[in-house]
Amino acid sequence: GAVVSQHPSRVICKSGTSVKIECRSLDFQATTMFWYRQFPKQSLMLMATSNEGSKATYEQGVEKDKFLINHASLTLSTLTVTSAHPEDSSFYICSAQSGTVHLEQFFGPGTRLTVL
Amino acid sequence: GQQLNQSPQSMFIQEGEDVSMNCTSSSIFNTWLWYKQDPGEGPVLLIALYKAGELTSNGRLTAQFGITRKDSFLNISASIPSDVGIYFCAGRSGGSNYKLTFGKGTLLTVNP
Repeated sequence: GAVVSQHPSRVICKSGTSVKIECRSLDFQATTMFWYRQFPKQSLMLMATSNEGSKATYEQGVEKDKFLINHASLTLSTLTVTSAHPEDSSFYICSAQSGTVHLEQFFGPGTRLTVL
Repeated sequence: GQQLNQSPQSMFIQEGEDVSMNCTSSSIFNTWLWYKQDPGEGPVLLIALYKAGELTSNGRLTAQFGITRKDSFLNISASIPSDVGIYFCAGRSGGSNYKLTFGKGTLLTVNP
């Protein structure tokens, strides 16, 4: 149980284009999902908290107009990187929060974004 | 903001040896979590701790939630080559704040 998928697993795009990444909780419902960014040899950095049916909450320094988050259902959240630039190249990981008591976070396998 | 100090930063051990890593925080956490991340993959939850003083095992892994609620350790016994990876601790304050604070990770290398 508690499986989270991400699609695509890796994407290469040209500078200036937009890229959408999907995060799905496969066997549970997640009212809250999180989006992280991870640079090589570094820890996970929280970008935003996504709540089903409401606007995402962004961490300080993360541009909400550049990183669009939509949490349309209890099993799907999407992150769209708009007008991507090479500095947006990174490993993007989502997590979904499970349960009502312990609220454990289960992570997706990540999406490697390379912007040329 | 909250800071987590995770040590050691890296470890090189021989197969069969035991491993210990720990995290300390500048503030109190209500939950401690330990994750393992393989290259190019997302973190996988190993052990979750919810009470101060709690000691929990998962196979060869054992983790404890410190009494002060500001620290936690993870032990791996009889290491095997597939234990290789990056281990992260993460803490959560609780209440309405669901966000996790992550340590910087411990890179474990196991020589067969």
